[in-house]
Amino acid sequence: QLQLQESGPGLLKPSETLSLTCAVSGGSIFSTSYYWGWIRQPPGKGLEWIGGIYYTGDAYYNPSLMSRVTIAVDTSKNQFSLRLTSVTAADTAVYSCARHVGYSYYMDVWGIGTSVTVSS
Amino acid sequence: QSALTQPASVSGSPGQSITISCTGTSSDVGGFDFVSWYQQHPGKAPKLMIYEVSNRPSGVSNRFSASKTGNTASLTISGLQAEDEADYYCSSYTTSISPLYVFGTGTKVTVL
Repeated sequence: QLQLQESGPGLLKPSETLSLTCAVSGGSIFSTSYYWGWIRQPPGKGLEWIGGIYYTGDAYYNPSLMSRVTIAVDTSKNQFSLRLTSVTAADTAVYSCARHVGYSYYMDVWGIGTSVTVSS
Repeated sequence: QSALTQPASVSGSPGQSITISCTGTSSDVGGFDFVSWYQQHPGKAPKLMIYEVSNRPSGVSNRFSASKTGNTASLTISGLQAEDEADYYCSSYTTSISPLYVFGTGTKVTVL
């Protein structure tokens, strides 16, 4: 059974860079049918799609975050990562990774999420 | 990129049916059959309930059904049960700015 597990620091200061990793187990990140992405949820608010990446390295980003976001894939470790620069309090959220079904545009497997707080 | 519009809350008694709407535009909900629905219990990861407008993944109860008319998608929960109390989000593929996903504003379902 495919499982996704997020990891990374839970507390950042404003202007720092957020770096998270999503480890994929029970399946391979190599797939032409799926891609791998990140979604976040600020406290008490709804879901926001951040971006996604194929195992080839082709990435797609939410335009509202594009200038600060990089998603990368490490096929040797079967994992992918999220990098968000110049964080502010508005980036405080639970960050989740998810497998995206590429040809049908939905997310069928989610990680449990990791809480990130930006505070001075 | 505007979120899809959902009612903030919907409630019903056990055994009743409720419907959650999800309104978008012709650039997302109305333009593609790529609407999905997610259930999220407090502190838990979202769970896929519906994909491609009306398809249920294996393991999802047939009490959950969904459809789409024009720019509005709908999720219906029949025979409401206490365990259905959760937040529900719709999502759609969108081309309004560049190819990406857009989520709904979320609906809190309360079982009275």
